[in-house]
Amino acid sequence: GDSVTQTEGQVALSEEDFLTIHCNYSASGYPALFWYVQYPGEGPQFLFRASRDKEKGSSRGFEATYNKEATSFHLQKASVQESDSAVYYCALSDPQGGRALIFGTGTTVSVSP
Amino acid sequence: AQTIHQWPVAEIKAVGSPLSLGCTIKGKSSPNLYWYWQATGGTLQQLFYSITVGQVESVVQLNLSASRPKDDQFILSTEKLLLSHSGFYLCAWSAPSAETLYFGSGTRLTVL
Repeated sequence: GDSVTQTEGQVALSEEDFLTIHCNYSASGYPALFWYVQYPGEGPQFLFRASRDKEKGSSRGFEATYNKEATSFHLQKASVQESDSAVYYCALSDPQGGRALIFGTGTTVSVSP
Repeated sequence: AQTIHQWPVAEIKAVGSPLSLGCTIKGKSSPNLYWYWQATGGTLQQLFYSITVGQVESVVQLNLSASRPKDDQFILSTEKLLLSHSGFYLCAWSAPSAETLYFGSGTRLTVL
């Protein structure tokens, strides 16, 4: 079945560092790809999405580019802040599950001042 | 603007006891509705989805059931809780034929 792989389980950074979280997917066709962010005790929040090859999604200084050839959708931010500390999930649309989303295992980002 | 409300915020229940969790969406007619489960420190696992009132599809069998009694309401329940049911339950909605999901604030369930 379709799946999403996030390479990093945990990332520790200092403020103003550059952030990259790797996301690779396995699916047929062109699934929509998503990034969500989850803060402790809350539900995941939608960050952005992309639906076509080479399309860039962005929000709140985060961005990712849909790469069909590499089957990737890596999340980046140029200069992180302490408030960016959270769990980040990559996801893809599932045409089988009522158009639900299949999530990766998540990456915990900790930013120290 | 659409709002999604989950209740209760948290529950502590005994093994073998019944459970009912709820979710209400306001400001959107005929949304697609979803239940997800998240183990502590884990990823999100889809449990159920519903495209219309009265119809619910199961994705994973976890001795849970779901119902959609109204267009804006989604209920998750079981008659007998297991220890493995502990975790964070999340309700989500999407617009019909859309793919972006919007989540509620979740219910933290602890089964003892």
